[in-house]
Amino acid sequence: GAVVSQHPSWVICKSGTSVKIECRSLDFQATTMFWYRQFPKQSLMLMATSNEGSKATYEQGVEKDKFLINHASLTLSTLTVTSAHPEDSSFYICSAKGQGDSYEQYFGPGTRLTVT
Amino acid sequence: AQSVTQLDSHVSVSEGTPVLLRCNYSSSYSPSLFWYVQHPNKGLQLLLKYTSAATLVKGINGFEAEFKKSETSFHLTKPSAHMSDAAEYFCVVSWGNTPLVFGKGTRLSVIA
Repeated sequence: GAVVSQHPSWVICKSGTSVKIECRSLDFQATTMFWYRQFPKQSLMLMATSNEGSKATYEQGVEKDKFLINHASLTLSTLTVTSAHPEDSSFYICSAKGQGDSYEQYFGPGTRLTVT
Repeated sequence: AQSVTQLDSHVSVSEGTPVLLRCNYSSSYSPSLFWYVQHPNKGLQLLLKYTSAATLVKGINGFEAEFKKSETSFHLTKPSAHMSDAAEYFCVVSWGNTPLVFGKGTRLSVIA
């Protein structure tokens, strides 16, 4: 149980275009989902926290107009990178927390974004 | 601010020898503690977790960790390293409903 999927697993897009990444909880309802970014050989950096049906809370320094997060249902959150630039190239990982889970998050397999 | 320190950025061991990956956290009251492993271009896989039960926690693939409150440590160990253990390991801490705090990671290399 507690499986989180991400789609796509990798994507290449041209500079200036937008790309959407999906994060789904497959066998539980995720009241809260998190989006992380990971640069090569570095740890995960929390970008934002989203609760189903409400606006995401962004960490300091993360542009909310560039990284649009939507948590429309209890099993789906999306991250849209708008007007992507090469510096947005990174590994994006989502995680999800279920109802009653005060501490544990379940991580997706990640999405590799390359902007050319 | 709460913090997690992984004392070694890189650990190299020979196959069949013990593994020790060190982790210390900043707070004096008991958090929830996790160790995750990440293979290249993959997501995070939970190895084990401590959530205020037994202080010696056994995880998958022969890993275990001991919570030592007096030392604010949660070191990860394995008696005998295998080539497949080569990966990046993250110590992660949670204090209640606050966001997870990640260590910077320790890269484990296993030499044949």
